[in-house]
This record gives sequence, structure tokens and C-alpha cells, in this order.
Amino acid sequence: AQTVTQSQPEMSVQEAETVTLSCTYDTSESDYYLFWYKQPPSRQMILVIRQEAYKQQNATENRFSVNFQKAAKSFSLKISDSQLGDAAMYFCAYSGDEKLTFGTGTRLTIIP
Amino acid sequence: GAVVSQHPSWVICKSGTSVKIECRSLDFQATTMFWYRQFPKQSLMLMATSNEGSKATYEQGVEKDKFLINHASLTLSTLTVTSAHPEDSSFYICSANGLAVDYEQYFGPGTRLTVT
Repeated sequence: AQTVTQSQPEMSVQEAETVTLSCTYDTSESDYYLFWYKQPPSRQMILVIRQEAYKQQNATENRFSVNFQKAAKSFSLKISDSQLGDAAMYFCAYSGDEKLTFGTGTRLTIIP
Repeated sequence: GAVVSQHPSWVICKSGTSVKIECRSLDFQATTMFWYRQFPKQSLMLMATSNEGSKATYEQGVEKDKFLINHASLTLSTLTVTSAHPEDSSFYICSANGLAVDYEQYFGPGTRLTVT
């Protein structure tokens, strides 16, 4: 079974600084998708960014980018110019079929 | 686009009663819908996967007779918690797949269930 590991239960960053959240996964598949979801205090799950495993280019969405290392099975999220609204739980997720497997999450605090 | 709604957002029920939670895809047809449970400060745990017109597939350890799932149409799935007990109190989240091939799921806002 696929597993997703987020080794940082909590992270904090100064406003306007950059922070990187770590995620590793285990799979025997060659084709799959990886996602980062954000869950703010409202608890609404919001897609931050997605990566297709067969694409070598790292995905980028405005201030959010990933470092996808397929051989190392690593998928970290970098948030640049952190803003107060970025404070949330961040979940890394894997999908090799229609199901999502989530990591345990990282709580990100933004320090004003 | 790709909006998923849930109703109710918050429900309190007495122990032994049943409660139904609705999940609707508002602007797309959902081929598959998913139901998750989330305990405080924990991750999402997949309970079951449902496809329109067929029986739901439950994850290991989830009681199918307690958590009844009906996927009546391409835009509506319901989760009924039968004979609820305080340990069923949790946050329940549904999500839906569209027709895209990237397996992105669109999430509802969640339902907080409290059983007294």
C-alpha cells in the first residue's frame, strides 16, 4: 500500500520569508499524481498545487512551488513571501488511482 | 467551477438516532464521490468510495451497516450514520472527482457531527 509521510508536525515562518514543507511517499507505481492541499481553520480543503509524476518539471503556482524528486520519492512544497493567510494545515497527498492517500499534515504558523 | 456542497454543515443528534449528510456537486457531474472522516488535529481518513448507481466500496475497518452510502445520481451522494453513538462524533468530509484524468478531488466544506 502507498504511504505518505510528513515528518514536520509543525512549522513556523516569519511573514514575507520562505518556508519548505517536506513530504515523502512510498509507491511501486511509475505513473501517479501528487498534491498539496491546504486546510485553513474553516476546514475547507483547498488544492494548492499538483504534480504529475511523468513530468520532470516542477510545478509552480504563483508563490507556491514544489521540488519533486521521483527517484527519492520526495515532494516538498516551498512557499515564498509567506503571508498571514497561508497559516493552515498542509497535507501532502498521493494518487495512483482515483483514491487519495494523505500524509499526517504539517501545521504552518505565520509570525507577523 | 468544481464546487461541492455539503448539508448540513453542523448537526447534533441524540445517541441511537440516525443522521443523513448530503454531498452535492453543483456545477459538474461527479463520476465518483468519496467520504472521509477527520478527527481533531488528524488527517483525513477515507471511509468509502461511491459510484453513481452502484454499491459503495468501504475501506477496511469501516462498518458498512453503520455508515450507509447512497450515490443516487451523478451530483448527489448521501452518508447516513445509523444508530449514532458519541464515538461517531467527528468531522465528515465528502469529495468528488470530475471527468479529468488527474484524479484531483474537489472537497465539500465538511459536516461536524456531534452525538449526545
